[in-house]
Amino acid sequence: QVQLVESGGGVVQPGRSLRLSCAASGFIFTTYGMHWVRQTPGKGLEWVAVIWYDGSYKYYVDSVKGRFTISRDNSKNTLYLQMNSLRAEDTAVYYCARGVMTLDYWGQGTLVTVSS
Amino acid sequence: QSALTQPPSASGSPGQSVTISCTGTSSDVGGYNYVSWYQQHPGKAPKLMIYEVSKRPSGVPDRFSGSKSGNTASLTVSGLQAEDEADYYCSSYAGSNNLFGTGTKVTVL
Repeated sequence: QVQLVESGGGVVQPGRSLRLSCAASGFIFTTYGMHWVRQTPGKGLEWVAVIWYDGSYKYYVDSVKGRFTISRDNSKNTLYLQMNSLRAEDTAVYYCARGVMTLDYWGQGTLVTVSS
Repeated sequence: QSALTQPPSASGSPGQSVTISCTGTSSDVGGYNYVSWYQQHPGKAPKLMIYEVSKRPSGVPDRFSGSKSGNTASLTVSGLQAEDEADYYCSSYAGSNNLFGTGTKVTVL
């Protein structure tokens, strides 16, 4: 069965960095694009970034361009989100999800809190 | 990259139907047949309920149906059940990115 397990969340001070990971299993990771989506506590979903199956294309929401980097290691079936220069407004639960046009499987999320 | 517009809330009694709208533009909802709908219960991850406007993944009850007209997509839940009470989000592919709707809280009266 498809499993996506996020890790790496926590409390971090503004301006600092954090790297999230998403371990994938139960499907052929190298054939799927992958996304990061975030959700501010009590609010809606916001798409953050997508990476093509082979890492050839990456796209970001404007608010994280130049600060966040999505990447993947297909040898480890793992997706990453490197988050630099974190701001209070980046506080959210971060989900990884499988797919490109349709996000068909989601992980359970990892909470990132940016606070001094 | 503006969010798609959904009504904040919708409600219905058990057995009734409820329809949720999702309005975008010709650059997203109107331009692609890649509209999805997600159900989210409190504290849980979103679950795919409808994809490519009107297709249901395996295991999703046929009480859930989707459609699209122009720049507006819709999700209809027929024969409402208590377990359908949740937040619902639409999403559309928009070329190089994906957009989500503002979310609708469905209450079963």
